[in-house]
Amino acid sequence: QKEVEQDPGPLSVPEGAIVSLNCTYSNSAFQYFMWYRQYSRKGPELLMYTYSSGNKEDGRFTAQVDKSSKYISLFIRDSQPSDSATYLCAMRRSSASKIIFGSGTRLSIRP
Amino acid sequence: GAVVSQHPSRVICKSGTSVKIECRSLDFQATTMFWYRQFPKQSLMLMATSNEGSKATYEQGVEKDKFLINHASLTLSTLTVTSAHPEDSSFYICSAILETGQGGEKLFFGSGTQLSVL
Repeated sequence: QKEVEQDPGPLSVPEGAIVSLNCTYSNSAFQYFMWYRQYSRKGPELLMYTYSSGNKEDGRFTAQVDKSSKYISLFIRDSQPSDSATYLCAMRRSSASKIIFGSGTRLSIRP
Repeated sequence: GAVVSQHPSRVICKSGTSVKIECRSLDFQATTMFWYRQFPKQSLMLMATSNEGSKATYEQGVEKDKFLINHASLTLSTLTVTSAHPEDSSFYICSAILETGQGGEKLFFGSGTQLSVL
């Protein structure tokens, strides 16, 4: 079993829809959770960074962490075609430990 | 936000040649940088951790003599693929840690280098 599981998609939704992206994990020691957006043939771009459980909002993006269920989510409101990319979840136990990435979900927003 | 610059963005070389990729943190100092490899439609695979002023730490299965890493300053790490072969063709991405204070850290990525070995 992988430490971090993420549905690879592809996920296709119409413009303006709310997008929900999710990851599950098996290691209860993870405390730092991140979401990255990666366009084709580009480096990942940090979107959200959260510590421990709870919600964090930044513009159209909301990150949720449920440590009891070992489940994290990224919501994108009012999705735009420019949001079409691969979204990677990532997590780590502590600031000194290795970052573990999900396999990424390919998202396509239809105009 | 923090910027990590990676060059070149694309390189095509003949089999047997060596290729150097540079990774720079432009507006912050990075004691630690990471090098990843990514195959099409797959996630990032950590190759090595680059520490300023000391030897890099390689992940299991990554040949240290094949992938030479030098972290000579707090803003520059280089990855040299020695005697490159077609199977080394891949997308290589570097990243650097920005310490945000109070023990927090954020990881920022370069734009990646597409290596094609003929």
